Amino acid sequence: GIQVEQSPPDLILQEGANSTLRCNFSDSVNNLQWFHQNPWGQLINLFYIPSGTKQNGRLSATTVATERYSLLYISSSQTTDSGVYFCAVEQGGSEKLVFGKGTKLTVNP
Amino acid sequence: DAGVIQSPRHEVTEMGQEVTLRCKPISGHNSLFWYRQTMMRGLELLIYFNNNVPIDDSGMPEDRFSAKMPNASFSTLKIQPSEPRDSAVYFCASSSLVTQYFGPGTRLTVL
Repeated sequence: GIQVEQSPPDLILQEGANSTLRCNFSDSVNNLQWFHQNPWGQLINLFYIPSGTKQNGRLSATTVATERYSLLYISSSQTTDSGVYFCAVEQGGSEKLVFGKGTKLTVNP
Repeated sequence: DAGVIQSPRHEVTEMGQEVTLRCKPISGHNSLFWYRQTMMRGLELLIYFNNNVPIDDSGMPEDRFSAKMPNASFSTLKIQPSEPRDSAVYFCASSSLVTQYFGPGTRLTVL
């Protein structure tokens, strides 16, 4: 099956810093989503982005489908950005999402 | 919209007991997913339904696990008999097109 690798596995920032999280996938995909799991365990959908670039406030994402990677940018990080960020992909129109292991982000005040 | 609703939020049970987890998807969504999250295996898809019909249950670990969706607003995931290795957070998610929306999860502890 398709492999999803996220890097870095852990990231510690000071409030106000910027960061880039990466997601590599091993095959072409129809669907790519980024999620944030907050410290209380809630999973929030950030972006549906199988290709191209999207922005939502301080967050933006870019997927280069031909090169099989996606990037999540967080600018001016805040302590509330802490948590685990997951990339998930789906291929073949099945609706089955395969999740990466996530990047654990800690933003210190 | 209330979002995806799951109950119970926490469940502690003893090995061998039957456990039933419940999910109410977002109204109007036609796909429903059950996931399990553990430290060792991460987030895994167990089964998903489309228009109340099970489409893929290849992620269901074994026959002790079963899932039903009797109507568009309700689904259950049942474990019988439960074992300590079933301890995990179980998430339900729903979608109408491609974006999946997750419920708060049920933390299951099997002693």
